[in-house]
Amino acid sequence: AQSVTQLGSHVSVSEGALVLLRCNYSSSVPPYLFWYVQYPNQGLQLLLKYTSAATLVKGINGFEAEFKKSETSFHLTKPSAHMSDAAEYFCAVSDDYGGATNKLIFGTGTLLAVQP
Amino acid sequence: NAGVMQNPRHLVRRRGQEARLRCSPMKGHSHVYWYRQLPEEGLKFMVYLQKENIIDESGMPKERFSAEFPKEGPSILRIQQVVRGDSAAYFCASSGRKETQYFGPGTRLLVL
Repeated sequence: AQSVTQLGSHVSVSEGALVLLRCNYSSSVPPYLFWYVQYPNQGLQLLLKYTSAATLVKGINGFEAEFKKSETSFHLTKPSAHMSDAAEYFCAVSDDYGGATNKLIFGTGTLLAVQP
Repeated sequence: NAGVMQNPRHLVRRRGQEARLRCSPMKGHSHVYWYRQLPEEGLKFMVYLQKENIIDESGMPKERFSAEFPKEGPSILRIQQVVRGDSAAYFCASSGRKETQYFGPGTRLLVL
């Protein structure tokens, strides 16, 4: 069965500092991986996705993530945090992207706070 | 191009009442997914539908919950005889050709 683990339910960084949000996955087949961001009282917005092409994936708002099969990880990074990055971030996995079901399995989320 | 629309955005029901949540997918999308987000938790898959068909309902509670996506009109998630444990945010997502899912703003259900 697939699963996603997000280490750290709360992460706090200073404005301008590196952002690192951790995600590890478990999948018996090559996974497809996603990062979504959720601002308060809003829906989820796709940041980036890995669908077995390049292992380093660039997304919106300066975020990127690297797929590391040996570590079963897909950590999200941004070189310099901005106040507007404060939100909740969800990692998700699918073993059936574009297939019969295509459902997403989500992690429990990481709430990012950015200090001035 | 309008995104995924959900209404109502907030819904308050008393125990035992029915809740109807609506989702209009993005234009051109024929695949709809419903997810539930309980307080302090991530999103959990409930059901996946295409027009007039339920494809995967493995995440739906066995009782009181049903979903439909008719040929015309929005997808409906229906919860009968609501209980306090049904209080959550319910998100709809849509996709074209079963690829990237785009999420709506959610319906926040509060059961008193």
